[in-house]
Amino acid sequence: TQLLEQSPQFLSIQEGENLTVYCNSSSVFSSLQWYRQEPGEGPVLLVTVVTGGEVKKLKRLTFQFGDARKDSSLHITAAQTGDTGLYLCAGAGVDGGSQGNLIFGKGTKLSVKP
Amino acid sequence: ETGVTQTPRHLVMGMTNKKSLKCEQHLGHNAMYWYKQSAKKPLELMFVYSLEERVENNSVPSRFSPECPNSSHLFLHLHTLQPEDSALYLCASSQDSGTNYGYTFGSGTRLTVV
Repeated sequence: TQLLEQSPQFLSIQEGENLTVYCNSSSVFSSLQWYRQEPGEGPVLLVTVVTGGEVKKLKRLTFQFGDARKDSSLHITAAQTGDTGLYLCAGAGVDGGSQGNLIFGKGTKLSVKP
Repeated sequence: ETGVTQTPRHLVMGMTNKKSLKCEQHLGHNAMYWYKQSAKKPLELMFVYSLEERVENNSVPSRFSPECPNSSHLFLHLHTLQPEDSALYLCASSQDSGTNYGYTFGSGTRLTVV
């Protein structure tokens, strides 16, 4: 079983639509990070959320960390073709343990069609 | 050059070959990582170096051998690999090995073992 479950695995939408992708766990994390990875490239950090209930906005992207710090969501408003990519969430400090290393989910592959 | 640079971008090698992957960062980061990214699997942490000392080895087969000669350079030496080792190998760095810091990834080396 995966410590971090991302859903959906695949998402194909038209330009201009809104979408939400999810990152869920039964474990508590001290922080969660979101990355976007484009084909042929490495992941690029989008945001880090550290406080339960925290909401962060990055232009058309809205990130939320669950109150219990077990889950997170990423909402994209009016998607553009440039948003296409693999969205990865990564958790740190599982269940109050030492910071250790990041644990990654499998990702949501988003395709935005013109 | 800024960011994390990986060479080569693509590598095809036979099972009896010996090759090395190179990673370089000029961000002044103290921690460097090797990750393996395979289809349908989350990123798998292979090795962690903090201030040039290896701090974690996640049960990686001995046919993978890391080397960190200084804080800016990281190598992954490969020998007698198996076809299932074919994957995207990503190098990353962070300010420190604690996960309060986001990771900066390179573009990866696409490895094919034939």
